[in-house]
Amino acid sequence: GIQVEQSPPDLILQEGANSTLRCNFSDSVNNLQWFHQNPWGQLINLFYIPSGTKQNGRLSATTVATERYSLLYISSSQTTDSGVYFCAVERSGYSTLTFGKGTMLLVSP
Amino acid sequence: NAGVMQNPRHLVRRRGQEARLRCSPMKGHSHVYWYRQLPEEGLKFMVYLQKENIIDESGMPKERFSAEFPKEGPSILRIQQVVRGDSAAYFCASSANPGSSGNTIYFGEGSWLTVV
Repeated sequence: GIQVEQSPPDLILQEGANSTLRCNFSDSVNNLQWFHQNPWGQLINLFYIPSGTKQNGRLSATTVATERYSLLYISSSQTTDSGVYFCAVERSGYSTLTFGKGTMLLVSP
Repeated sequence: NAGVMQNPRHLVRRRGQEARLRCSPMKGHSHVYWYRQLPEEGLKFMVYLQKENIIDESGMPKERFSAEFPKEGPSILRIQQVVRGDSAAYFCASSANPGSSGNTIYFGEGSWLTVV
């Protein structure tokens, strides 16, 4: 099956700092999504981004499909950004998402 | 996330009992997926269903687990004779057009199963 690797596994930031999270995948995909799992366990859709760049407030994401990676940028981080960020991909020709192991982010005040 | 409804949110079962988790997909979605998240781990695919059909169950344990998505009503994930290792968060997701461009998959808020 497809491999999805996220880095770094853990990240600690001071409030206000910026960060970049990375997701590498091993095969061509027709879907890539970024999720935030908050401390209460809820999975929040951040981006649907199989290619290109999107921005939503302080968050933006870029996927370079030909090089099989995606980046999630968090600017001016806030304590509410804490949680686990997951990248998930849908391999071309398949219909299910494969998740990476996530990046655990802790933003301290 | 809005629209994928899961219940119960939390469920406690004794070893040997049965657990039933329910999922109603977003309006207009006929494709449902179940994922399991063990403590401190990522989400693992279990099963993909369309109305009245199991499309892919490659992630389902061979014994004690079953899933259905009837013509009417929610999708059900059933775990018989639960064991402590079944304690996990079970997430349901739905989509409209799997495999097509723009097909976002939406997740429910999860059902947390604790086996005591």
